[in-house]
Amino acid sequence: QQQVKQSPQSLIVQKGGISIINCAYENTAFDYFPWYQQFPGKGPALLIAIRPDVSEKKEGRFTISFNKSAKQFSLHIMDSQPGDSATYFCAASGWRQGAQKLVFGQGTRLTINP
Amino acid sequence: GAGVSQSPSNKVTEKGKDVELRCDPISGHTALYWYRQSLGQGLEFLIYFQGNSAPDKSGLPSDRFSAERTGGSVSTLTIQRTQQEDSAVYLCASSPIGSSYEQYFGPGTRLTVT
Repeated sequence: QQQVKQSPQSLIVQKGGISIINCAYENTAFDYFPWYQQFPGKGPALLIAIRPDVSEKKEGRFTISFNKSAKQFSLHIMDSQPGDSATYFCAASGWRQGAQKLVFGQGTRLTINP
Repeated sequence: GAGVSQSPSNKVTEKGKDVELRCDPISGHTALYWYRQSLGQGLEFLIYFQGNSAPDKSGLPSDRFSAERTGGSVSTLTIQRTQQEDSAVYLCASSPIGSSYEQYFGPGTRLTVT
């Protein structure tokens, strides 16, 4: 079964620090690796995504680092702010059983202390 | 423009009753997904609709769960003879064709089975 493994389950970072969340995948047929951000009581929202032929993508304070050979990718949040406190899901997109779908990691609950 | 909407936002039902959850996707999005999220857990894929193709029902946990999508737009998830373990947040998402990594989620329906 195709899986995406995410760690840590929870993370506490001081304001201004760097938050790092890691994911590893098992299937080489994925074509996009997005990260979703979910606030309590809301649905997840796409934050940033990367293709496997790119090693890094940066959008503002958010950066995805991608290591194709290791089948790992990570989200870095620079200068973390209390407003970044949320649950983050990594995911992998690809074709399975004739359908294009996302496989999600288990999520990381991030808390930024003021 | 309008995002994905879901109704009701909350539903409390007695064990053994049937429930219907509704999803209105973003206009023009051909793909529609249903997920289940138990308290503090990740996203469990349930079912996927793509255009006029047969739906991918591989994630439905039992035959008590079914879904339909009428006219390529609105979708209804039906749970028959609800059980307490069905209590969760049910999320709907839609995506444009060819961009399964780019899913737009609704706010979810919180289902509580008493």
